[in-house]
Amino acid sequence: AQTVTQSQPEMSVQEAETVTLSCTYDTSENNYYLFWYKQPPSRQMILVIRQEAYKQQNATENRFSVNFQKAAKSFSLKISDSQLGDTAMYFCAFTYNNNDMRFGAGTRLTVKP
Amino acid sequence: DTEVTQTPKHLVMGMTNKKSLKCEQHMGHRAMYWYKQKAKKPPELMFVYSYEKLSINESVPSRFSPECPNSSLLNLHLHALQPEDSALYLCASSQETGVYTQYFGPGTRLTVL
Repeated sequence: AQTVTQSQPEMSVQEAETVTLSCTYDTSENNYYLFWYKQPPSRQMILVIRQEAYKQQNATENRFSVNFQKAAKSFSLKISDSQLGDTAMYFCAFTYNNNDMRFGAGTRLTVKP
Repeated sequence: DTEVTQTPKHLVMGMTNKKSLKCEQHMGHRAMYWYKQKAKKPPELMFVYSYEKLSINESVPSRFSPECPNSSLLNLHLHALQPEDSALYLCASSQETGVYTQYFGPGTRLTVL
């Protein structure tokens, strides 16, 4: 069975600083995708970043980057130069088959001015 | 364009009412999904449609009835709901099922009185 664990229910960071959100997963599959989705108070689930398991290079999207450690089954999200608009719930997600997308419990991030 | 639209944004209904939620995408995606999300929890998969055919029903009660009239449109028909069905209902789509990115709509906030 596939599981996704986010061990930080809540985090906060000062504006312009850097924060890292943790995610670990468990799977026996070899071909899969990992995602970070952001859900602000407006509630829309927004794709932040995606990592294909077969790629060794860590994905980056502007201020967002991941540290993907396949052997350790770890997939952390680093947000640089945090902005007030980054305040949201962040979900780590895993899929090897979209019939079975697994989400972590989420980390609520607050960016403080 | 990665837009998935959902209507209505908010819906309040009584336990004897019949209502429908609508989801639309024009990205040419052939897989569409319904999720249910309770407050402060991750989304839970309800239904998966692949090429307009229901491929997954995650043991959802029959008071929820999905429909996929065409490849761009997904409906969720509601009848005789219970107060515990109050939640955010999210629609998502992806190129196909399998290992593809899911894009989410803004959701419908449903309240059952």
